[in-house]
Amino acid sequence: DAGVTQSPTHLIKTRGQQVTLRCSPISGHKSVSWYQQVLGQGPQFIFQYYEKEERGRGNFPDRFSARQFPNYSSELNVNALLLGDSALYLCASSLWRNNEKLFFGSGTQLSVL
Amino acid sequence: LAKTTQPISMDSYEGQEVNITCSHNNIATNDYITWYQQFPSQGPRFIIQGYKTKVTNEVASLFIPADRKSSTLSLPRVSLSDTAVYYCLVGDMGSGNTGKLIFGQGTTLQVKP
Repeated sequence: DAGVTQSPTHLIKTRGQQVTLRCSPISGHKSVSWYQQVLGQGPQFIFQYYEKEERGRGNFPDRFSARQFPNYSSELNVNALLLGDSALYLCASSLWRNNEKLFFGSGTQLSVL
Repeated sequence: LAKTTQPISMDSYEGQEVNITCSHNNIATNDYITWYQQFPSQGPRFIIQGYKTKVTNEVASLFIPADRKSSTLSLPRVSLSDTAVYYCLVGDMGSGNTGKLIFGQGTTLQVKP
């Protein structure tokens, strides 16, 4: 079975631009969460979506938004990129809304120049 | 969600047993203790989860004393491939949780030949 897949794997943008990151959860998983990981730190929670509704939001500005589609895949959008948005963006899926066990993808490495 | 404290780094040699201790003095009654492993440029991977006493699976053991204010992840006979960052997380995994995991800085384990 395929794991959590994320695209693209790497991305380079300039300040002020907008970016869309994509995530396909494990088949059958209805919950998708997004995390930001800056080099040298642990992942920081951004959003959780379950059954196409936002169920949790971390301490991130409104420039960050996300959505989940009927097939449970998800997109993370970041507007007006800042240098500080450079990070590894991780998507995780789980069967239910509960986070007993999350399965993470390999992430999208975003560099903002 | 309870805050956790764990060593920033640890060194070991191949074939040795490694014990990583995590402190979580403010753990709540409904909180579970979960450990994740992360290799460079990959997402975290679930290792083990427990509530009290001892839990063992094919890769690790988790020891939790009666007061649950700390826990110890035990990796038997480590190999070079166990070199990674290990995260201890504490949180309520029950119904209604919003899928938000709080990662600390983790423990960087370096296994030497």
